[in-house]
Amino acid sequence: RKEVEQDPGPFNVPEGATVAFNCTYSNSASQSFFWYRQDCRKEPKLLMSVYSSGNEDGRFTAQLNRASQYISLLIRDSKLSDSATYLCVVNLSGGSYIPTFGRGTSLIVHP
Amino acid sequence: GAVVSQHPSRVICKSGTSVKIECRSLDFQATTMFWYRQFPKKSLMLMATSNEGSKATYEQGVEKDKFLINHASLTLSTLTVTSAHPEDSSFYICSAGDGIHYGYTFGSGTRLTVV
Repeated sequence: RKEVEQDPGPFNVPEGATVAFNCTYSNSASQSFFWYRQDCRKEPKLLMSVYSSGNEDGRFTAQLNRASQYISLLIRDSKLSDSATYLCVVNLSGGSYIPTFGRGTSLIVHP
Repeated sequence: GAVVSQHPSRVICKSGTSVKIECRSLDFQATTMFWYRQFPKKSLMLMATSNEGSKATYEQGVEKDKFLINHASLTLSTLTVTSAHPEDSSFYICSAGDGIHYGYTFGSGTRLTVV
């Protein structure tokens, strides 16, 4: 089993739709989690951190489920500009801050 | 916010030559920098972890003699691809962090094409 797994998609949704992605991780010792956005041929950019209590930033909501070892990203009212690849990143604890990336989930928002 | 500068952004070189990629943290001290490689439509793959003042830690399958990493200061890490071959053509990205609360800041990436 891979350390971090994501459904590669693509997810094709119309503008205004709500879409959710999950990301599962295998190491229960993982301590910090992030969602990144990567546009084609560009570097990844931090979208949001994922806190144990969940967090929301505008149309984006991230949640962590430690029991089932997954994190989720919910995008409401999708915009055309949301089209990108969304990467989840999991970080182990114990001073070993080596981020592990999922392969990303591709989102295509169409008119 | 934290900024990481990476250059060159694009380089084309001949087989057998070496290419150096620089990565600088501009407004914070990064004791650790990560080097990734990304092939088309593939995920980011960690190549090595670079710690200031010590030898880099390479992931399994990454040749340390081919991909030379130097982290001479808290703000600069370099990756040198030696004796480049066409199969080394890829998108190389560095990343640095100053703590788990801030995520990781990426350089803008270097697209290497070996002809």
